[in-house]
Amino acid sequence: DAGVIQSPRHEVTEMGQEVTLRCKPISGHDYLFWYRQTMMRGLELLIYFNNNVPIDDSGMPEDRFSAKMPNASFSTLKIQPSEPRDSAVYFCASSLQGASEQFFGPGTRLTVL
Amino acid sequence: AQSVAQPEDQVNVAEGNPLTVKCTYSVSGNPYLFWYVQYPNRGLQFLLKYITGDNLVKGSYGFEAEFNKSQTSFHLKKPSALVSDSALYFCAVSSSSGGGADGLTFGKGTHLIIQP
Repeated sequence: DAGVIQSPRHEVTEMGQEVTLRCKPISGHDYLFWYRQTMMRGLELLIYFNNNVPIDDSGMPEDRFSAKMPNASFSTLKIQPSEPRDSAVYFCASSLQGASEQFFGPGTRLTVL
Repeated sequence: AQSVAQPEDQVNVAEGNPLTVKCTYSVSGNPYLFWYVQYPNRGLQFLLKYITGDNLVKGSYGFEAEFNKSQTSFHLKKPSALVSDSALYFCAVSSSSGGGADGLTFGKGTHLIIQP
């Protein structure tokens, strides 16, 4: 298995632009998580899905952020409009069951100018 | 709300010496505890977990961790450090109240530096 796949690996955009981050979880995993990593705040959970259904989005910073999981093999995290403070590394992770270890993708490094 | 504390930003250990990276947690219900390692410009890699059972958990690359319920701690240990162990280490917790299905709450991370 190729593991969790994220694209793009790097994204540089200008303030106000829409950004879409993509994730393909490990096949057969029922849970998908989106995290954000910054120097100031560390690793934060943004949202997670179980069987494609959003379960907890309390970590989503504001309405500019949205996430979808249209099927078991694909999820997107969208920021519209983007702001410089959104600059961070965004990780996607998946797990087989609730209490099992999460497998992380390589991350997308987002820079908003 | 659940939380994780990693009190040391950095731990320096000479190669061949034992290492300990500290972690304490706060959670409602029984904790599910994890350690992850992150190398530069890479995602997080799972090292080990405690769900239930034996308090001493063995994981990848010779690492182990000891769950101490009374001290709410889950310290990461290795008997003999390698230079290649140098990385950023994260402790994380989720709660049995959600069946462990909640997303993980991470500590701020500890830089482990192994000196040759």
